Parts: sequence; structure tokens; C-alpha cells
Amino acid sequence: DTAVSQTPKYLVTQMGNDKSIKCEQNLGHDTMYWYKQDSKKFLKIMFSYNNKELIINETVPNRFSPKSPDKAHLNLHINSLELGDSAVYFCASSRQSNTEAFFGQGTRLTVV
Amino acid sequence: DQQVKQNSPSLSVQEGRISILNCDYTNSMFDYFLWYKKYPAEGPTFLISISSIKDKNEDGRFTVFLNKSAKHLSLHIVPSQPGDSAVYFCAAYTTYSGAGSYQLTFGKGTKLSVIP
Repeated sequence: DTAVSQTPKYLVTQMGNDKSIKCEQNLGHDTMYWYKQDSKKFLKIMFSYNNKELIINETVPNRFSPKSPDKAHLNLHINSLELGDSAVYFCASSRQSNTEAFFGQGTRLTVV
Repeated sequence: DQQVKQNSPSLSVQEGRISILNCDYTNSMFDYFLWYKKYPAEGPTFLISISSIKDKNEDGRFTVFLNKSAKHLSLHIVPSQPGDSAVYFCAAYTTYSGAGSYQLTFGKGTKLSVIP
């Protein structure tokens, strides 16, 4: 059983399009996150959701919006994609009282 | 502004020897540190962690050392095995954020190659 799963694994799309990346965790965790790994290989937090409330929102463009239909899901919607959005996006989850985050396998987004 | 730094982008070690991966941090508010291991095309996997109230934590072949005064931590792998070849990320967070979630700040990673 995959603990944190995200789809799709690869996503190639044209500039200006709107796309979504889905994430699901079956660990019963309270908090879910989205991280971005850019071309310089830095892993940076984008969002986190705790019990369906957005509690951290880094300075990412408002073209990016997290949507959490329930505690087990945190989807990432991206509008008007730009070339600079090309990166690997990782979903993760953790228990509120436990700091070890479990990561999904990543979604490699390529904007052409 | 890199708050967590891994200054060695790569490290090669002979199988059976010790691997030492280093990490430095600048934010004195960090009080919990983690190491993650990442294989290509996979997400990072939690390896070992240490709280700032300790200076050493050991789990099998993996030991993490923390030197708070130097703001430095290291991961020791002994003996190193070919399967340990991966990218190792150092990460840190602070419990003083007041939020219910823990925002990890990652280093850039060190690629470890264990040569058979």
C-alpha cells in the first residue's frame, strides 16, 4: 500500500494551461504539504494544510492554489502555467505531533 | 538565504567504510533535525532525526550527531553499503512557530556513492 500517492507522475503541458496534481494519503495524518524542488534541487515548502485549514502559505504566486476536499487529500491547482513552473512537486503528510513527514513519489511538471 | 547548508554536493565512499555527511544551519530557532534519503524518481524517505536536547541519536548503521554551539550536524553510516547510494537531505524545523504543522527547511542534498 502506498502511504502518500500523487498523480500524475509526469505532466507535460503548454504555457497558459491550467493543471491539477492530486495527492492522497492513507496514513490518517493530520497535516499535508506541497513542496517544490526546483532546478537547483532545493526542496521548498509551498503549502501545508492542517485539518482542512491552510496554516502556512509561502510566498508562492496566487496562480497556485491548494484544495483539500477532506483530510486525506490535498490537491494542487495551477492556473496560467509559466515556463518557470517547471519543477518536481512533492506532496507529503505528517501527524500533528510527529515531525517525520512522509513524501509521495513526486510529479515532474514540464511547461513548454 | 540558505538556512540549512550541505556544502558537499557529492561524496564517494568504499563499501564497508564510514560515510560522513555534514550539514550546517544558521537559524538558531531550529530545534529538530532530520535526515532524508532520496533515490532517483522517488520521494524523500525519512531516515533518522534528532532533537536539540540531544547530541546523538543512533539507529542501526545510522548515527546523527548534533553540535548546537557550532550549528552543525552530521550523519554517519557505518558500514556503508552499495544500497546506501542516494541523495541525502538534511532538514530542520522549529517548534516555536506556533502553528500545528512543521515546516521543514531542507538543505540542497549530498549525493552519496558507495563503491563496491
